[in-house]
Amino acid sequence: GAGVSQSPSNKVTEKGKDVELRCDPISGHTALYWYRQSLGQGLEFLIYFQGNSAPDKSGLPSDRFSAERTGGSVSTLTIQRTQQEDSAVYLCASSSPQGWETQYFGPGTRLLVL
Amino acid sequence: AQSVTQPDIHITVSEGASLELRCNYSYGATPYLFWYVQSPGQGLQLLLKYFSGDTLVQGIKGFEAEFKRSQSSFNLRKPSVHWSDAAEYFCAVGARGNNDMRFGAGTRLTVKP
Repeated sequence: GAGVSQSPSNKVTEKGKDVELRCDPISGHTALYWYRQSLGQGLEFLIYFQGNSAPDKSGLPSDRFSAERTGGSVSTLTIQRTQQEDSAVYLCASSSPQGWETQYFGPGTRLLVL
Repeated sequence: AQSVTQPDIHITVSEGASLELRCNYSYGATPYLFWYVQSPGQGLQLLLKYFSGDTLVQGIKGFEAEFKRSQSSFNLRKPSVHWSDAAEYFCAVGARGNNDMRFGAGTRLTVKP
């Protein structure tokens, strides 16, 4: 597709369950970011992938959060043992090596933990 | 890593009034600076960016921002706000030498009729 896609668009889960959120960046984009946007809150950086380099995980809030990027393209954000405070919109963005300053955002996955 | 502070969580202005949204950054060298806007139900859109040169940069939708190194600031301004400017505004800082960007927490703008 032409833009960044994320799936699912909405996810409702029970507290304690694990969830996986997927991001398909724009083809050729080497940088990929995950952010969390909680209700009434700003954009919180989670993790950053750049090519084959080791990811910057400094924004992950706890060890329940992890992410991987397979083949330098698709990324999966996994939240284990979800808590109610994990409820938020999870945004993925990608950027190209030539135009790295412009991040293209996906529509987000709205996660609700009951 | 670099960081960004947006001191104002929420600002309300009247339509037609001027606007200034504050942004302060922390970075050891000259940064790349950006402003993004997120309209309700929409994704984030780049408004303007500063890399080097003229410290006053023009963006889309009539916005401008000024880089002030001495104050580590990159405030966003608009002379006359329109109702359609109501949105969430995010300042971001990028580090030279890599493709890492960090966003501020955002400022929500409400426009009164």
